[in-house]
Amino acid sequence: GESVGLHLPTLSVQEGDNSIINCAYSNSASDYFIWYKQESGKGPQFIIDIRSNMDKRQGQRVTVLLNKTVKHLSLQIAATQPGDSAVYFCASSKGAALIFGKGTTLSVSS
Amino acid sequence: NAGVTQTPKFRILKIGQSMTLQCAQDMNHNYMYWYRQDPGMGLKLIYYSVGAGITDKGEVPNGYNVSRSTTEDFPLRLELAAPSQTSVYFCASSLGQASRKQPQHFGDGTRLSIL
Repeated sequence: GESVGLHLPTLSVQEGDNSIINCAYSNSASDYFIWYKQESGKGPQFIIDIRSNMDKRQGQRVTVLLNKTVKHLSLQIAATQPGDSAVYFCASSKGAALIFGKGTTLSVSS
Repeated sequence: NAGVTQTPKFRILKIGQSMTLQCAQDMNHNYMYWYRQDPGMGLKLIYYSVGAGITDKGEVPNGYNVSRSTTEDFPLRLELAAPSQTSVYFCASSLGQASRKQPQHFGDGTRLSIL
């Protein structure tokens, strides 16, 4: 069936380091991918998206990379800050809906 | 704009009771969605709507009902609450569907416990 998974459930980094969060998807027909950040007690917050006709997209301190050959997606966060501590989800498109992975918990220590 | 507003934030129900989770958005979005999130898991789609008067089932629709009488509101109804429905429920909206590269915007959730 359809699935979107993340390679690691948790990631711990030091403040100032770069963070890389990975995601694998199974539906080769997916043409749109989103990364969300979810803080405790809050709903998912949109971070960045990428279309399947792109390999890379950059935002403010974040970069998303898409490798369609191996169906892999990654989120890179530069100069990670304590405020980046949260659960990160990738999601891929399936028609009108999105399919979400289980999430990676990013912990940033000072 | 308030974005997506969900009420209540918390609720405890007894088995067999019914309730309606409210969701409203003020972004004039056509698409609205209901997800549930179980501990340590991603979000699973319950129902969605592509516009007023149109709804469709998602991955886990059993035990739930929805209606969409206006563009702004998309309530989720639990008729006979069961312990398996203990979860956090998120409502989301988007201007268009995911296949048209439109991100979904989420509310802060309703935490529902059924005892």
